[in-house]
Amino acid sequence: GQNIDQPTEMTATEGAIVQINCTYQTSGFNGLFWYQQHAGEAPTFLSYNVLDGLEEKGRFSSFLSRSKGYSYLLLKELQMKDSASYLCAARRSNDYKLSFGAGTTVTVRA
Amino acid sequence: ETGVTQTPRHLVMGMTNKKSLKCEQHLGHNAMYWYKQSAKKPLELMFVYSLEERVENNSVPSRFSPECPNSSHLFLHLHTLQPEDSALYLCASSSQGGGEQFFGPGTRLTVL
Repeated sequence: GQNIDQPTEMTATEGAIVQINCTYQTSGFNGLFWYQQHAGEAPTFLSYNVLDGLEEKGRFSSFLSRSKGYSYLLLKELQMKDSASYLCAARRSNDYKLSFGAGTTVTVRA
Repeated sequence: ETGVTQTPRHLVMGMTNKKSLKCEQHLGHNAMYWYKQSAKKPLELMFVYSLEERVENNSVPSRFSPECPNSSHLFLHLHTLQPEDSALYLCASSSQGGGEQFFGPGTRLTVL
């Protein structure tokens, strides 16, 4: 089965760091995706982890621990434009399906 | 620009109307998806097409009818919808085998 949990909301100050946690229980797990979705817009791909460890892409980093069923998305040097919903999604092996969490709404304040 | 377009962007319809949502992808992908996104809920996968064949139907009511005439186009035909069907309907595409999914901007549907 699929069970993806992430916090509903987070607030942080411009220039700060925020870490969004995601836990999953996915049979046949084969990768963890993070998407960003601004209000009224399409989700856009941020990162993909399939092996344990940290993947860094500029101000954004994503971490995966398969043994713990845990991932996080780290947003550094926050900017106002980073205010958005961040979606965690787990993929099963040999399957087209992504199971999404409900999303974490991040609000960046000046 | 994600390479996936959807029309219309907004749709208001009555419960007795029939309408269709259209999705087009320009990425050369061969898998396409319909999702429903309701406020504060996870994206719900509705249908998956791979090489123009439906490979997934997640117990979606028959008032939603998908159509995939070719690998670039996907439709969602709507008839006799209910107010609780009001939501954002997102289309996505990926390469076969479940790669990264690229999303369209969605159709905001309101059923009166």
